[in-house]
Amino acid sequence: QVQLQESGPGLVKPSQTLSLTCSISGGSLNNNNYYWNWIRQPAGKGLEWIGLIYSSGRTKYNPSLRSRLTISIDSSKSQFSLELTSVTAADTAVYYCARGGWNTAGDYWGQGTLVTVSS
Amino acid sequence: DIQMTQSPSSLSASLGDRVTITCRASQSVGNYLSWYQQKPGKAPKLLIYAASILPSGVPSRFSGSGSGTDFTLTISSLQLEDFATYYCQQSSSAPLTFGGGTKVDIK
Repeated sequence: QVQLQESGPGLVKPSQTLSLTCSISGGSLNNNNYYWNWIRQPAGKGLEWIGLIYSSGRTKYNPSLRSRLTISIDSSKSQFSLELTSVTAADTAVYYCARGGWNTAGDYWGQGTLVTVSS
Repeated sequence: DIQMTQSPSSLSASLGDRVTITCRASQSVGNYLSWYQQKPGKAPKLLIYAASILPSGVPSRFSGSGSGTDFTLTISSLQLEDFATYYCQQSSSAPLTFGGGTKVDIK
């Protein structure tokens, strides 16, 4: 059974960088049949796709975040990561990692982690 | 970007009711359409992928149909555990986009 777990600071100051890691167990990041997503959800609102990374390291980003966003992968550690620079209160959300594959972007999800941007 | 429009945004229904939620894409997504169920404080759960395929473990009262731009999620007989918010998502092209969600609550 594949499991994903997000980790990182729950509080980030405005203008600083938000950094999160997603750790995978029960599966391999090297499997070319899958890709790895970050998705977020502000309180009481809908889901927003942030970006994805393939095992090759190729990425696709949401254009609305591209200038501030870096997603990276470390297959040796079974982890992929998110860095979002110059954060504001608008970046406050629950952040999820999820596995995508054939014809779906989210067959397995992490439990989510709340990140609050506040001074 | 492909816009995904869900309707209705909310609905009230009774146990045993048949419930239908629609999702429309601003351009064709083929069958690259997934449906998720989300309960408060929980991560979304995959209900349907490839527009109509149920993952293992999803009850057969859930069904999906459609292709191209118009899709439907149907719950044939609403159960207590089905009261939740439902989202569609296209994975045809980046940026991957979600519908705005449909909240199903108890009448």
